Amino acid sequence: DGGITQSPKYLFRKEGQNVTLSCEQNLNHDAMYWYRQDPGQGLRLIYYSQIVNDFQKGDIAEGYSVSREKKESFPLTVTSAQKNPTAFYLCASSDSPYNEQFFGPGTRLTVL
Amino acid sequence: GQQVMQIPQYQHVQEGEDFTTYCNSSTTLSNIQWYKQRPGGHPVFLIQLVKSGEVKKQKRLTFQFGEAKKNSSLHITATQTTDVGTYFCAGPDQAGTALIFGKGTTLSVSS
Repeated sequence: DGGITQSPKYLFRKEGQNVTLSCEQNLNHDAMYWYRQDPGQGLRLIYYSQIVNDFQKGDIAEGYSVSREKKESFPLTVTSAQKNPTAFYLCASSDSPYNEQFFGPGTRLTVL
Repeated sequence: GQQVMQIPQYQHVQEGEDFTTYCNSSTTLSNIQWYKQRPGGHPVFLIQLVKSGEVKKQKRLTFQFGEAKKNSSLHITATQTTDVGTYFCAGPDQAGTALIFGKGTTLSVSS
């Protein structure tokens, strides 16, 4: 079954802790993206990667970090520097920045 | 910077009524894409429009791309409860590196 997987679906962390969200795709897509979704805010781009070992900051990269060591994987770390990390995080991939994006099921992060 | 705006933000209709959401870009787009996100779910691609003035239909859904390639609309005829969700439009940024999403229109339908 081809697609994008994100784990876990729900994640709870204490304030001040770093947390890493997983994103894996088996669609053989070059491009991968991380979005944050808050109520009424739409999708805000955190980081994106067009190719392995390269990634770029999106609109709200502060307090986040990523890596792209493999084509299939694009993990996102929410660091303690992120002031308001509680949100719904969506990972997506596409074969081209111009084409449709395939989204994973998302991870709902709650920081207590 | 480049922006994609959608109106309305929310729309409530009675089942059977029509619904339209509008999308406007601050710049000309090479294409416009539409996604649907069901409550509690993730965005799912619906369609991509590429040509100026293009109109595409998917059953009760009609998508249009403006002549100037800066605006688009999604029209649903005779809404059903299965149409509930948030509809997003998106277009490639000018650098061609990522999509810019509108904030979405959330549709609720009462039977």
